[in-house]
Amino acid sequence: QQQVKQSPQSLIVQKGGISIINCAYENTAFDYFPWYQQFPGKGPALLIAIRPDVSEKKEGRFTISFNKSAKQFSLHIMDSQPGDSATYFCAARGVPDKLIFGTGTRLQVFP
Amino acid sequence: DAGVTQSPTHLIKTRGQQVTLRCSPKSGHDTVSWYQQALGQGPQFIFQYYEEEERQRGNFPDRFSGHQFPNYSSELNVNALLLGDSALYLCASAWGNTEAFFGQGTRLTVV
Repeated sequence: QQQVKQSPQSLIVQKGGISIINCAYENTAFDYFPWYQQFPGKGPALLIAIRPDVSEKKEGRFTISFNKSAKQFSLHIMDSQPGDSATYFCAARGVPDKLIFGTGTRLQVFP
Repeated sequence: DAGVTQSPTHLIKTRGQQVTLRCSPKSGHDTVSWYQQALGQGPQFIFQYYEEEERQRGNFPDRFSGHQFPNYSSELNVNALLLGDSALYLCASAWGNTEAFFGQGTRLTVV
C-alpha cells in the first residue's frame, strides 16, 4: 500500500514532442504528489506538485494530470527539449510527511 | 539562500567502518529527512528529524542513526558499513509539511 508504481522505465522523445510519464498509487491517505527531476550526480529538484483536490496543474511546459478515483497521476512535458533529458521521479507524501518515490523514468530528448 | 547543503560530496570507506554525513537545511526550514538512493533506483526514506527528535523511520536497520542540532542541521551515522550501503545519501529539508528540497547528496562508496 506504500508503493508508487511508475512507468515507463525509459522514454525517448524527439525535440518538440510530448513526454508523458505515469504513476499509480494505492494508499488513499497520500496528500501531496510531487514530481522531481534529477540529473546525473545531482540531487532531485522539485519540478511541480499537486494536491488530490485538484485535477490538473500547469507550470510552463509541465503539467500534472491527477485522477483521484483511478489513483493515478501523470506528468506531461510539452515541447520537450534536449535540456529536459534527465531522470524523473514521481512521489507521494504519506502521513506523517515522508515521501514515497516511484522507480524513475529516464527521459532522453533527441534533437 | 544557499539551499540544502551536504558534506562531504564523496566518501570512500572500508567495510566495517563507521561514517558520518552532514546536512545544513535551507534557511527557515525546521524538518530534515534522510534518503538513500541506490544506483538506478528511487530514493528510499531512512528517517526524519523535527525539533531534535526522530519523528519517523523507514525500513532501515539500527546501524543507521541520526541527530538534529538546535540550529536544525543534521547528521546521519552509519555503523558497521556493508558493501550494500554504497549509495547516494540525500538530505531533504522542509518547513512544516511544505515542499521538500533536496541537497546534492553524498556519494558513499564502501569497499
